[in-house]
Order: sequence, then C-alpha cells, then structure tokens
Amino acid sequence: QVQLQESGPGLVKPSETLSLTCSVSGGSISNSDYHWGWIRQAPGKGLEWIGSIFYLGGTHYSPSLKSRLTMSVDTSKNQFSLKMTSMTAADTAVYYCARLSQGYDYWGQGTLVTVSS
Amino acid sequence: DIQMTQSPASVSAFVGERITITCRASKDISTWVAWYQHKAGQAPKLLMHLGVGLQSGVSSRFSGSGFGTDFTLTISGLQPEDAATYYCQQANSFPLAFGGGTKVELK
Repeated sequence: QVQLQESGPGLVKPSETLSLTCSVSGGSISNSDYHWGWIRQAPGKGLEWIGSIFYLGGTHYSPSLKSRLTMSVDTSKNQFSLKMTSMTAADTAVYYCARLSQGYDYWGQGTLVTVSS
Repeated sequence: DIQMTQSPASVSAFVGERITITCRASKDISTWVAWYQHKAGQAPKLLMHLGVGLQSGVSSRFSGSGFGTDFTLTISGLQPEDAATYYCQQANSFPLAFGGGTKVELK
C-alpha cells in the first residue's frame, strides 16, 4: 500500500521560504508510471494545484506560483520536496502531497502551514 | 492553460435521491478528467479517472460521463456518507487545474 507523508514547519514568517518534504513508502518514487505533486487548500477555499515533478527531475508549476516555486526529488530517500519563497498570509493552507496517475490516487494526510509573524 | 468551471457550487438533497455535478473545460480534454470527494479533515479521495473509470473500492453509486469539454459526476441513491465537497480536475495537460468544487449536503 503506497503511503505519503508530508513534513515541514507548521508556522512560517511572512517573506520567508517554506520547505516541505513528502516521504513515499510502499512504492518507488522512481516508477516511470507516475508524477508526484503538491496541492493546497486555503481556509474556506477549494483545492489549488501547485505543481508536479517526475523522478528524473522534470517539473511543471502553476503559472500563478511559478516564480516562487522549486520542486526537487531525492530518489535515494524516496522523497520529493517543495520550496516556496516570499510567503504571505495568502499562502496559509493545508498542503498535500500526492501521486499522479490518471488522477491523484494516493495522498498524504496534509500539513497545515500558517504564515504569521 | 485549461480552466475547469464546476456547477452548482452547492446542492442539497434527500437520502436516496440522485444528484448530478457538472464540469466544463475551457478546451477539449477528451476524457482526461478526474473526480474527487473531499471531506473536512481528510485527504481528497479519487472517485473517477478518465471521466468514466470508477476507482477501485469506490461505490458504484458514483458514475461519470462526458467527452471533450462537458463532464458530469452522478451520485445515485445518495447516502449520508456522501456529504462532502466534490471536485473535478483536468488531467489532459500541464498545468493541471481543479474545478471550484460542489458542496453536497443532505436534507
């Protein structure tokens, strides 16, 4: 059974950089059948797609967030990561990592990130 | 970039009724649409892939249809556990996009 687990700080100060990691177990992140992605949900809002990465390092980012994003993958640790710069209160959200097949079929439980001084 | 417009924003129905949620893509995406169920405090759950493909373990009360730009998710015989927010997502090309969501409530 594939499992994903997000890790990272729950609180980030305005203007700082958010770093999140997603650890994958029960399956290899190097499986060429899948991409790996990040999705978030701000309080009271819908799901927002952030971006996806392939195990070879190819990335796709949301156009509205692209200038602030860097995604990376560490196949030796079976992990992938998200960095988002210049955080503001509008970035307060639950951040999910997920596996992309023909849809996002496996998800982490989500981690709440609050942007506040 | 492809946008997904979902309607209605909310729907209320009785147990046993059938409801339909609609999603419209801003351009042709063939059958590359996925549907999710999202309950508060939980991760979203994939219900349908490729428009009509029922995800393993998902109740057959859920069905999908559509091709091109117009897609529907139907819940037949609504059950209390179906109360949730439902999202469509285009899986045709990057950047991916979700619809705005439909909140389903039981009367």
